[in-house]
Parts: sequence; C-alpha cells; structure tokens
Amino acid sequence: SQKIEQNSEALNIQEGKTATLTCNYTNYSPAYLQWYRQDPGRGPVFLLLIRENEKEKRKERLKVTFDTTLKQSLFHITASQPADSATYLCALPHGSSNTGKLIFGQGTTLQVKP
Amino acid sequence: EPEVTQTPSHQVTQMGQEVILRCVPISNHLYFYWYRQILGQKVEFLVSFYNNEISEKSEIFDDQFSVERPDGSNFTLKIRSTKLEDSAMYFCASLTGSLGTGELFFGEGSRLTVL
Repeated sequence: SQKIEQNSEALNIQEGKTATLTCNYTNYSPAYLQWYRQDPGRGPVFLLLIRENEKEKRKERLKVTFDTTLKQSLFHITASQPADSATYLCALPHGSSNTGKLIFGQGTTLQVKP
Repeated sequence: EPEVTQTPSHQVTQMGQEVILRCVPISNHLYFYWYRQILGQKVEFLVSFYNNEISEKSEIFDDQFSVERPDGSNFTLKIRSTKLEDSAMYFCASLTGSLGTGELFFGEGSRLTVL
C-alpha cells in the first residue's frame, strides 16, 4: 500500500540557519506533491505544490525538491525565524483516486530558537 | 482572503449522541472534504463530495457518518451515534474546480470530545 514517511523526531535549529525536512514515499508514483504547515490546534495551510516533472520549486524563503527516482521530497526553509516553528506536513494525491483526495505524512515539527 | 469557516470550534458530547459539524466552504469551490486528526496522529481523509454526492469515502466513514450540502453553502458532517474513538479534530476543506493542481483550503477545525 502507499506509504508516506516523514521524520517524526522534532527538528531544532538556530534562527538564521536553513531547515531541511524530508518526505519519503513508497509504492506509487504521484503526479505531484504538496507541503502544508500546521500550527497547534489549527488547520493545515498550503505552502507549495511541486509536480513530477519539476525538480525544484521556490517561494520566498521556501524551496522544495522532488526526486521521483529516490521517491523523496526535501523541504528547505532558508534564513529560518522563530515564526517558522510549526509542524510541516507532506501530502500526496491518493494513487487510485480522481477526487482530489490527499494522503498526509505524520509531519515533522520544526522548532527555531532565537 | 476567502476562507473556510467551521462551527462549532469545540463540542463535547456523551457517547451515543448525535453530532453535526458545520462548514462553509469557499464560495466558488466545487470539491469539498472532511478530514480528521486524532491527537498526535496524521491528518486522515474521511470523505470527498462533488456535485451534491459523495465521490469517495474512507473505511473510517462507516454508516454512522453522513454528509450533506443542504442549501448550496453549508457542508455538514453528521455522526449519528458517537463513540469514544470519534474524539478528534475534524477539518473541512475545499478545492477549486481543478483537481490536478489544487491546494486544499482547510478550515480551523472542530474539536470533538466524546465522553
């Protein structure tokens, strides 16, 4: 079955450094991959979508890469700030679904210390 | 900026009671979803709804659950007879007309506590 793995351990970094989060998936070939941010007790907020034919996508301080051979996406936040502290979720479309259904990873919690 | 709104933000209910969670999706969106998140766990898909009918549902979405869009704006999730394990955050989400490119817009969630 389709599986998405994110590092469940929290990532602690110093303000100003680059945070790198990993999303690995198995058993299918998604047409695209999305990253969301989730703050405690709140709904996920969309950040970026990258398609299977794109290697890299950027938006302000965010960068996402998508390696369909390794079945992996990396999510980078450069010049990190304490306000970037949150849980970041990787999401992929369900392989057999044509309904927009997404499967989410368990998320990686980022803590940026001032 | 348009947003998905959900009510109530928190509901406490006794086991066996019926609960209705309400959502107002973004007005020009065509696809609607309910997801849930048990504390400390993944966000998981419950059901998708398009053109006034369910387009897909997960194995979690059993006969105790139902959805409807009664008036063209509200989108509701009903749990007929709540169980302890239904305690979770329930998120409504909506999507524009383009399935292959769309970001999901999530509401802030309704926290359901079943005692």
